[in-house]
Amino acid sequence: TQLLEQSPQFLSIQEGENLTVYCNSSSVFSSLQWYRQEPGEGPVLLVTVVTGGEVKKLKRLTFQFGDARKDSSLHITAAQTGDTGLYLCAGAAQGGKLIFGQGTELSVKP
Amino acid sequence: NAGVMQNPRHLVRRRGQEARLRCSPMKGHSHVYWYRQLPEEGLKFMVYLQKENIIDESGMPKERFSAEFPKEGPSILRIQQVVRGDSAAYFCASSQGTGFFGYTFGSGTRLTVV
Repeated sequence: TQLLEQSPQFLSIQEGENLTVYCNSSSVFSSLQWYRQEPGEGPVLLVTVVTGGEVKKLKRLTFQFGDARKDSSLHITAAQTGDTGLYLCAGAAQGGKLIFGQGTELSVKP
Repeated sequence: NAGVMQNPRHLVRRRGQEARLRCSPMKGHSHVYWYRQLPEEGLKFMVYLQKENIIDESGMPKERFSAEFPKEGPSILRIQQVVRGDSAAYFCASSQGTGFFGYTFGSGTRLTVV
């Protein structure tokens, strides 16, 4: 059974701080996707990483895929209150279904 | 260009009733996936459908749950004889291919069983 362990589960920081969210598995995934979910809404795709060692930047967000394609991280620089939300990593399993991590609930305080 | 449309947004059912959740994928998307999100449990895969075919239903409970994606019209997730434990947010996602590069999710249907 493929599992994704996401950490930390909860993170409360001050505006301007940096943070990193980790997503780890013992399984290899063909791609790793990061989503952000607001309360009462569905997840919104932020980025997909495909190649081992790949790094993608989205403004203040940096996503990295591990060399062995088993783990990934999301780093946010100078967090803003608008970054508050639930961040989800998801691995693409056989047939296209996604295996989701438990999520990281991020709260950025002014 | 509408995204993935799910309705209703909120659904309240009494124990024993049937719940029907509808999903219209994005235009041009022929792959539909249903996920369930329970508090403290995260998003779990339920079923993957293409037009008129169920491709993978390994995440769907064997009893009371069924899904379809007819040639015409939306995909339907049907829950018969609902129980309190079925209360959850149900999300539909669509993609052009197998979702390797990501899905577009709908806003979900929040089912409450009273």
